[in-house]
Parts: sequence; C-alpha cells; structure tokens
Amino acid sequence: EVQLVESGGGLVQPGRSLRLSCAASGFTFDDYAMHWVRQAPGKGLEWVSGISWRGDNIGYADSVKGRFTISRDNAKNSLYLQMNSLRTEDTAFYYCVKGSHIWLHSTLTFWGQGSRVTVSS
Amino acid sequence: EIVLSQSPGTLSLSPGERATLSCRASESVTASYLAWFQQKPGQAPSLLIYGASSRATGIPDRFSGSGSGTDFTLTISRLEPEDSAVYYCQQYGSLPMTFGQGTKVEIK
Repeated sequence: EVQLVESGGGLVQPGRSLRLSCAASGFTFDDYAMHWVRQAPGKGLEWVSGISWRGDNIGYADSVKGRFTISRDNAKNSLYLQMNSLRTEDTAFYYCVKGSHIWLHSTLTFWGQGSRVTVSS
Repeated sequence: EIVLSQSPGTLSLSPGERATLSCRASESVTASYLAWFQQKPGQAPSLLIYGASSRATGIPDRFSGSGSGTDFTLTISRLEPEDSAVYYCQQYGSLPMTFGQGTKVEIK
C-alpha cells in the first residue's frame, strides 16, 4: 500500500525557515518523480515544486523560486522541501505527491494527507 | 505559464443527471498532458483522469474525459451522491504545472 507521510509543518514567523519532509513507503521510491502541491485555506491547488527520480531535473512555481528548495534522498525514501524567507501568503496545507513515472512531467497519482504550514507573527 | 479556466464555478444537479465540466487553457496543452482531480471536504485530492481521457485505477466508468489542444471536458454520466466534491483540472506538460480554480459539484 502506497503511503506518503508529511512532517515538519507548524507555525513560523515571516522571514523564518521551515523544512518539510515526506516519508514514502509501499512503492519503489526512486522509480518516480515527486512533487509538492499546496492549498491555502479555502482556496484551490497550487503546484509548488517537482523533482525527477534522480534529482537532476527540478522545477518550481514562480511564487517560490529562489526561496524554496526541493530535494530527495532515495536511500531514505524521503522527499524534502526547504522553505526560506517565508511569507504570510505561504500559509497552506502542503501535500507530498507521487508522480506517475521517473520524469518531472508526470501526472500526480497519489497524494499524502498534507502538513499544515502557518506563517504569522 | 499556462492558465487554466474552469467553468462553471458551481454545478447543482440531481442524482442520475449528467454533469459536464469544462477546462480551457490559455495555450495548447503539450501532448494532452491534462488531468482531473476530485477533492472532497477535509480530504486530499485524488486522481480521476490523466492524459485527457484515461481513467485512473479504480475510477468508475461514469467518469470520462475528453478534449485536446486548449479545450477539455470532464463528464460524469450519472451523478451519485458521493460525487459531491470540487473538481480540478491540471496540466503537466509545461512548467510550471498549473491547476484550474475548480468546479464545485453539488448534489441536490
């Protein structure tokens, strides 16, 4: 059974940093691209970032480029999102999402339950 | 970036009726890399359709997708009460990947 478990969310002040983690199980992690998608309270979905199976192809939404860094550790079956210079508009549920194959341009086949990030003073 | 516009914003129909949801892209979607997701309150989204018309594993055949280029449609042929949800389209052919704003389907 595929499982994606996010952790690391919480309340943080504007300008500070936070690191999200996603522990994957139930599938061969390094056979798939992985993504982060967020959803602000009461709003729609926004793709944040994605990473190919080897980590050599990465993409970011313009809203987070230069502030967020995605990475993965295939030996640990884990995905990460380092979020720096956080803004109030980064407040959202952050979902870890499994792609459909190794490449970045893949559909989003399975979603974790999400981790809440609140940026507020 | 490719902007996806969904219509209508809300659809209110009775069980057994047909629902037609539209997703229009600001430019052509590469290789019909267009997906549809269903999100129920308090839950994570789940994949319904990928490649514009292929059903994901376990999705009932009352859900179907069609379209190409800039115009795509999700059809629910016979609405069930459990289909009450918000539906999002998403393109994954160009970066950044983008989502539509969603269509809320209400069952009367």
